[in-house]
Amino acid sequence: DGGITQSPKYLFRKEGQNVTLSCEQNLNHDAMYWYRQDPGQGLRLIYYSQIVNDFQKGDIAEGYSVSREKKESFPLTVTSAQKNPTAFYLCASSIANPVYGYTFGSGTRLTVV
Amino acid sequence: GQQVMQIPQYQHVQEGEDFTTYCNSSTTLSNIQWYKQRPGGHPVFLIQLVKSGEVKKQKRLTFQFGEAKKNSSLHITATQTTDVGTYFCCVGGGADGLTFGKGTHLIIQP
Repeated sequence: DGGITQSPKYLFRKEGQNVTLSCEQNLNHDAMYWYRQDPGQGLRLIYYSQIVNDFQKGDIAEGYSVSREKKESFPLTVTSAQKNPTAFYLCASSIANPVYGYTFGSGTRLTVV
Repeated sequence: GQQVMQIPQYQHVQEGEDFTTYCNSSTTLSNIQWYKQRPGGHPVFLIQLVKSGEVKKQKRLTFQFGEAKKNSSLHITATQTTDVGTYFCCVGGGADGLTFGKGTHLIIQP
């Protein structure tokens, strides 16, 4: 079955650590996105990529980094510069013209301990 | 980028009652998408509206796009417990990614 896989489902980070969230898709979608969701809130765009080896900052990119070395993969690194990283992180993908919407992964819940 | 306001933020209904959420923009929108997120889950795409005055139905769900393409609504007839969740309207979706509204949380009392 085609879809998006995010791992891990739950992640705990100590203060000052960098952590990397995985996102893999086998839908052959060109575009991939990372969103952050805080409790009871909407989704905010962190980074997005329309094509391999290219990506753009979204609305809240500070403290995050990404790479897009393969079409299928779009990992997100939460760096120690992100002061409030505890949140639900959602990865999504779409075709270039998303008339069928975005397909989301099941998310990673990151908690700073 | 484009912004959208969603109202209400929370809606409590008795099972069997109807539910409506509204999405408003100060600018003309090229399109609008709607998503549903179940508690603890991830957003799932419901529909995209593109044409002025467009109305689309999915079983008990009715989606409308305003004539001026500045507002949209989602109406659920005779709510069921499976309708519980947060409904988001979203704009954009082109090269710059989707911008989500803050969502309407639907709570259903049996």
